[in-house]
Amino acid sequence: AQKVTQAQTEISVVEKEDVTLDCVYETRDTTYYLFWYKQPPSGELVFLIRRNSFDEQNEISGRYSWNFQKSTSSFNFTITASQVVDSAVYFCALSDDNDYKLSFGAGTTVTVRA
Amino acid sequence: DSGVTQTPKHLITATGQRVTLRCSPRSGDLSVYWYQQSLDQGLQFLIQYYNGEERAKGNILERFSAQQFPDLHSELNLSSLELGDSALYFCASSDTGSGANVLTFGAGSRLTVL
Repeated sequence: AQKVTQAQTEISVVEKEDVTLDCVYETRDTTYYLFWYKQPPSGELVFLIRRNSFDEQNEISGRYSWNFQKSTSSFNFTITASQVVDSAVYFCALSDDNDYKLSFGAGTTVTVRA
Repeated sequence: DSGVTQTPKHLITATGQRVTLRCSPRSGDLSVYWYQQSLDQGLQFLIQYYNGEERAKGNILERFSAQQFPDLHSELNLSSLELGDSALYFCASSDTGSGANVLTFGAGSRLTVL
């Protein structure tokens, strides 16, 4: 069975600080997909990134970066130089080709103070 | 605008009642997913349809049912409502419904049961 653990419930930082969100996953499949979604205060779920299990390259997109490590089953997310607009709940999620559903972690609430 | 349309945005009803939530997927997407988000359960997968057929089932209560119509829109029916059914219900869509797909979420329908 799939499982996604986001151990950090809440993180509060001051603007311009970096913040790293942890995500640990469990799956028995060799082919799987990892995702991060953002849920701002307005409530919608916004896709940020997808990574498949065969691509361990880290990725950077602007102030966002992701560190995928299969050896530790982790897919961590870093926001560099955080801004107030980054305040949101961030979800890590997992799916595979045998279990079509997308399984979400509990989410980490990030609050960026001015 | 994500392209996934959910109606109604807000719904207040009483215990024991029945409601129907509606979802129109993004143009071209054949698969529809329903998720429930509550404070105590987080984001829970309910059910997935692909081109009119049920593909995967999650923790969906027997009091809940769903279907996807030939025009690909979907409805989630919630009956004999209880206080604990109060939640944000998300619909998402994807093109083929495989595990690799990125799910595009609607804005959600917030159900309050009094």
